[in-house]
Amino acid sequence: DAKTTQPNSMESNEEEPVHLPCNHSTISGTDYIHWYRQLPSQGPEYVIHGLTSNVNNRMASLAIAEDRKSSTLILHRATLRDAAVYYCILRGSSNTGKLIFGQGTTLQVKP
Amino acid sequence: ETGVTQTPRHLVMGMTNKKSLKCEQHLGHNAMYWYKQSAKKPLELMFVYNFKEQTENNSVPSRFSPECPNSSHLFLHLHTLQPEDSALYLCASSQVSSGRADTQYFGPGTRLTVL
Repeated sequence: DAKTTQPNSMESNEEEPVHLPCNHSTISGTDYIHWYRQLPSQGPEYVIHGLTSNVNNRMASLAIAEDRKSSTLILHRATLRDAAVYYCILRGSSNTGKLIFGQGTTLQVKP
Repeated sequence: ETGVTQTPRHLVMGMTNKKSLKCEQHLGHNAMYWYKQSAKKPLELMFVYNFKEQTENNSVPSRFSPECPNSSHLFLHLHTLQPEDSALYLCASSQVSSGRADTQYFGPGTRLTVL
């Protein structure tokens, strides 16, 4: 499975946008880019995923570089409830279903 | 998200005890997973079940024994555990279909402490 690299931690102010980067230089052409987050004392939850084009949903936006070697999760207006560990994960089309988690980025949101 | 439930939420057991963790998914999915999350470490995949058949065992010690009687229920039987097995055990489910990278839904986890 291709590896992802994320900063260990980031800080944001409430109501401001947050850009969470992820590098995946060994991504293959059929790997999907998934983002999950884990709020304190909870299991991980799905945020968004994409293949080549930028994606938007009610939680966030995903911006994928043209060469697909990096991506950025964008939270448009951070709230205190967005404080969590954010995981960037690659999933291949062979789709055994499993997720391989890294350390993720711990996002702190300051009021 | 209440689609995946886990019981108990907290468990304290001695090294000679036998206990079981239960997971139930109400989402109609065909795949279920056990993950382990130790303090300061990433989630580690333990077992994968597709259509009730175990398709992956990530070199998990035999003191952990999974059971999947049907596509909605998953158990993790525990016996003669060690203190280093203390962790958060997470269950997840998804719909696995050819060529699609489907979302996994996680339960809240069972916080296990082995004394």
